[in-house]
Amino acid sequence: AQTVTQSQPEMSVQEAETVTLSCTYDTSESDYYLFWYKQPPSRQMILVIRQEAYKQQNATENRFSVNFQKAAKSFSLKISDSQLGDAAMYFCACISQGGSEKLVFGKGTKLTVNP
Amino acid sequence: KAGVTQTPRYLIKTRGQQVTLSCSPISGHRSVSWYQQTPGQGLQFLFEYFSETQRNKGNFPGRFSGRQFSNSRSEMNVSTLELGDSALYLCASSWLGQKFNEQFFGPGTRLTVL
Repeated sequence: AQTVTQSQPEMSVQEAETVTLSCTYDTSESDYYLFWYKQPPSRQMILVIRQEAYKQQNATENRFSVNFQKAAKSFSLKISDSQLGDAAMYFCACISQGGSEKLVFGKGTKLTVNP
Repeated sequence: KAGVTQTPRYLIKTRGQQVTLSCSPISGHRSVSWYQQTPGQGLQFLFEYFSETQRNKGNFPGRFSGRQFSNSRSEMNVSTLELGDSALYLCASSWLGQKFNEQFFGPGTRLTVL
């Protein structure tokens, strides 16, 4: 069984600053993907960034990047130049290949961006 | 291309009733997954349907069921509602044409059980 743990229920950052959200996971699968999803107050889940487990290079999407430490089973999200629109719940999730589309989510981190 | 749509967006029911939620995936997407989101338990996988067949099921009681139609639209049903079933129910669709299949989420149905 897979588990995903987000140890920071809430985080805050000043506008234009950088913030890092933490995530650890556990899976017995060798082939899996990791994701960060954003859920703003509208409740619409939006994929922020994804990482394939067999790729050593950390994924980057504009101001969002990850620090993927496979041996430590750690997958943190760094948001640079934080904007007011980044305020949301952020969920770390894992999915393993095996014929199922089952995403396992962490409990989430509520990010507040202060002007 | 239209996104994932869920109907209704809000629903209020009383204990003991049953409810049916609907999800229309993005055109061309054949897999539909359902998730329950509550403040206490977070996001939990309910089940996934592909080609009208349930491929995987989460750890929920039999009161929770679903189905998928030939046009990939999916419904989930909850019978004998309990207060604890109050939640945001999210549907996600994916294409399943490649190794990585991004799941696109709908806006959710907010169910309140009184």
